[in-house]
Amino acid sequence: GQQLNQSPQSMFIQEGEDVSMNCTSSSIFNTWLWYKQDPGEGPVLLIALYKAGELTSNGRLTAQFGITRKDSFLNISASIPSDVGIYFCAGQLTGSQGNLIFGKGTKLSVKP
Amino acid sequence: DSGVTQTPKHLITATGQRVTLRCSPRSGDLSVYWYQQSLDQGLQFLIQYYNGEERAKGNILERFSAQQFPDLHSELNLSSLELGDSALYFCASSPEPGTVYGYTFGSGTRLTVV
Repeated sequence: GQQLNQSPQSMFIQEGEDVSMNCTSSSIFNTWLWYKQDPGEGPVLLIALYKAGELTSNGRLTAQFGITRKDSFLNISASIPSDVGIYFCAGQLTGSQGNLIFGKGTKLSVKP
Repeated sequence: DSGVTQTPKHLITATGQRVTLRCSPRSGDLSVYWYQQSLDQGLQFLIQYYNGEERAKGNILERFSAQQFPDLHSELNLSSLELGDSALYFCASSPEPGTVYGYTFGSGTRLTVV
């Protein structure tokens, strides 16, 4: 089946650092979404992208829908402790009924 | 509170047993989706209902089944449970199928099979 390759798998951040993660696929998506999941909670939508090339910001978060519609990236600027968690990319294929395909997540932790 | 309610929050059961997970969608949403999240994995789509009818199926095992009732709540039934079925099960809802606009997840049910 379709897969989303999300990288990096994990990263350590220090407060104030910028963070970047991305997702790629061999399939073409008509929508890309970025979610954050905290322990014991469901994923919460951060940013939704609907058009190829679209660049969207939500506060310190910026995400882009790749021109080929096969990739997306998420940047977090000036990270703060509450940014810790797991970030997932998800995509919706053209013609699907709304079900999403998820990446395996990027786990952000604080540097000791 | 996302508006999507899942019960129970935690469930521990033995292998071979059957359990039912319940989801109440956000008010006004007609479409319900079920996902499974195993340890350190992304969410895997299981099945979708819209206004009581099955709309799409993912990698759902034959031992698993679901339905959506007239009041729009949905239940996911897992039978002949195996250790590997231990996972987080999430429900999401949206106003209609085909779009991710307004897509909202519940807090999940953590199933542990011992």
